[in-house]
Amino acid sequence: AQSVAQPEDQVNVAEGNPLTVKCTYSVSGNPYLFWYVQYPNRGLQFLLKYITGDNLVKGSYGFEAEFNKSQTSFHLKKPSALVSDSALYFCAVRDIKGGSYIPTFGRGTSLIVHP
Amino acid sequence: EAGVAQSPRYKIIEKRQSVAFWCNPISGHATLYWYQQILGQGPKLLIQFQNNGVVDDSQLPKDRFSAERLKGVDSTLKIQPAKLEDSAVYLCASSLGTSGLGGDTQYFGPGTRLTVL
Repeated sequence: AQSVAQPEDQVNVAEGNPLTVKCTYSVSGNPYLFWYVQYPNRGLQFLLKYITGDNLVKGSYGFEAEFNKSQTSFHLKKPSALVSDSALYFCAVRDIKGGSYIPTFGRGTSLIVHP
Repeated sequence: EAGVAQSPRYKIIEKRQSVAFWCNPISGHATLYWYQQILGQGPKLLIQFQNNGVVDDSQLPKDRFSAERLKGVDSTLKIQPAKLEDSAVYLCASSLGTSGLGGDTQYFGPGTRLTVL
């Protein structure tokens, strides 16, 4: 069965510093990995995804994520955090089940960027 | 292009009452998803449709929850009767749904916040 783990409930970082939000996964087949962001009282917004190819994936708002097959990780990163990046971040994986790709989300990590 | 539309945005009901949520996906998207997001948790997939067929409903509490997508476009999720633990945000999402693609990106609606008293 597929699973996603986000080991940190909350990440605190000062504005201008680099940030990392961690995600590890478990799938039976090839991993299809996603990051979404959720602002208060809003739905989830797509940030980036890994399908195949280059291990470093670039996405919206300056975010990037590094796929590491040996560590089964897909950590979200940004070189310089902004206060406006403060939000909930969700890692998701899609794995094959009964011939279709079914998504599973992590529990989320609250990112707080301090001025 | 228009995003995923959901209504109502908020709903308050008493336990044992029934409630229905509506979702209209992005035009041309074949796959539609319903999620339950309890406060402090990640979204939990309740049901996934491909056109008007069910792909996965393994986490749908079928004794009280039902969903349909009769014409392969918009969808309705119903709860009858509601319990206190059903208080959550119900999210609808859609994706292009090209067959066999694990990299299919989901686009989410704003959600419906349900409070069961």
